Amino acid sequence: KAGVTQTPRYLIKTRGQQVTLSCSPISGHRSVSWYQQTPGQGLQFLFEYFSETQRNKGNFPGRFSGRQFSNSRSEMNVSTLELGDSALYLCASSLEGRRDEQFFGPGTRLTVL
Amino acid sequence: AQSVTQLGSHVSVSEGALVLLRCNYSSSVPPYLFWYVQYPNQGLQLLLKYTTGATLVKGINGFEAEFKKSETSFHLTKPSAHMSDAAEYFCAVTLTGGYNKLIFGAGTRLAVHP
Repeated sequence: KAGVTQTPRYLIKTRGQQVTLSCSPISGHRSVSWYQQTPGQGLQFLFEYFSETQRNKGNFPGRFSGRQFSNSRSEMNVSTLELGDSALYLCASSLEGRRDEQFFGPGTRLTVL
Repeated sequence: AQSVTQLGSHVSVSEGALVLLRCNYSSSVPPYLFWYVQYPNQGLQLLLKYTTGATLVKGINGFEAEFKKSETSFHLTKPSAHMSDAAEYFCAVTLTGGYNKLIFGAGTRLAVHP
């Protein structure tokens, strides 16, 4: 069974631009969560989607948004990029009710210049 | 607020020596507890988890951890370090009612030298 895939793996943007990252969960997984990893703040929860609905959200500004499609694929969008948005963005997927078993993708490395 | 504390951002051991990575959590109710490993330029891989039942849990690659409720700890150990264990290790919790949200510690970078 294929794992969690994230595209693109690497991305370079400039300040003020916007970016969209994609996450395809493991087949059958309907929960997708997103995390930001930076050297200064570590791993921080962004949001979680289940059945196309956001059901949990971390403490990030409104520039960070996401959505989930009917096939459970998820995208996150960051508008008006700032230098501090440079990070590794990870997504994780799981079966419903299985918070004990979440599988992470390889991440998207975003660099904002 | 719930939190996870990993003591020691960097740990260095010799090959063949005991690995001990420390994790303490703060939670009013017993959480689910996890250890993840991250190799350079990769995502997170689950090493082991504690949900309920036996407090000593065994994971992959010879790692194990013991849940001690009285100490609110979940330290990770491995009897004999291997060069391939060099990586960053994260302790994490999820809480009842928090859906799948993982709260991570700051991480411990493990170096293994010959």
